[in-house]
Amino acid sequence: QTVVTQEPSFSVSPGGTVTLTCGLSSASVSTSHYPSWYQQIPGRAPRRLIYTTNSRSSGVPDRFSGSILGDKAALTITGAQADDESDYYCKLYMGGDIWMFGGGTKLTVL
Amino acid sequence: QVELVESGGGVVQPGGSLRLSCAASGFMFSSYGIHWARQTPGKGLEWVGFIQSGGTNKHYADSVKGRFTISRDNSKSIVYLQMNSLRTEDAALYFCARDVRYSCDYWGQGTLVTVSS
Repeated sequence: QTVVTQEPSFSVSPGGTVTLTCGLSSASVSTSHYPSWYQQIPGRAPRRLIYTTNSRSSGVPDRFSGSILGDKAALTITGAQADDESDYYCKLYMGGDIWMFGGGTKLTVL
Repeated sequence: QVELVESGGGVVQPGGSLRLSCAASGFMFSSYGIHWARQTPGKGLEWVGFIQSGGTNKHYADSVKGRFTISRDNSKSIVYLQMNSLRTEDAALYFCARDVRYSCDYWGQGTLVTVSS
């Protein structure tokens, strides 16, 4: 059974740079998975940050960027701010109108 | 402005049924696919299913296949999630979201489903 993997937690200092990754248990992530990234405060609606690997959603600060790094999708935050502390989820298209979310990464800014 | 509003959540016994609704406004509803996703308190997001814009093609996560059915009424701009044979592990906050370029650009605020005897 395929699993979408994310780091459970990550920590970054204010002003620092952090890269969160999104992998597959049984394959490499590519642009054909149309990776998207979401920021969420638990219990509230997720907010889309990145779609189709590296396109930034309207209104999202340019300190957020998406890419493919090796065999994983990646979300990089450059110049982290306190209000970036949140949960981050990736979502991959698996083909055949099937999608999967990763387990999420809890980002701490301190 | 684009808005999605879920409703229909509540308390149901294991084995019971519930129908959730997702009412859309502010965009040409019939041109967009709609996703359902859920989140258990303290846990991550889980993709539940998807219905294409025309309503003919629908796809589900393995965890709900055969028990949940997605449908839509484009004349009313509503998507439904019919949930049958509910289990305790189906208890979650259920979201609907609009599909744009293989991602979910707008989300509703969610409706809570509790499965308990």
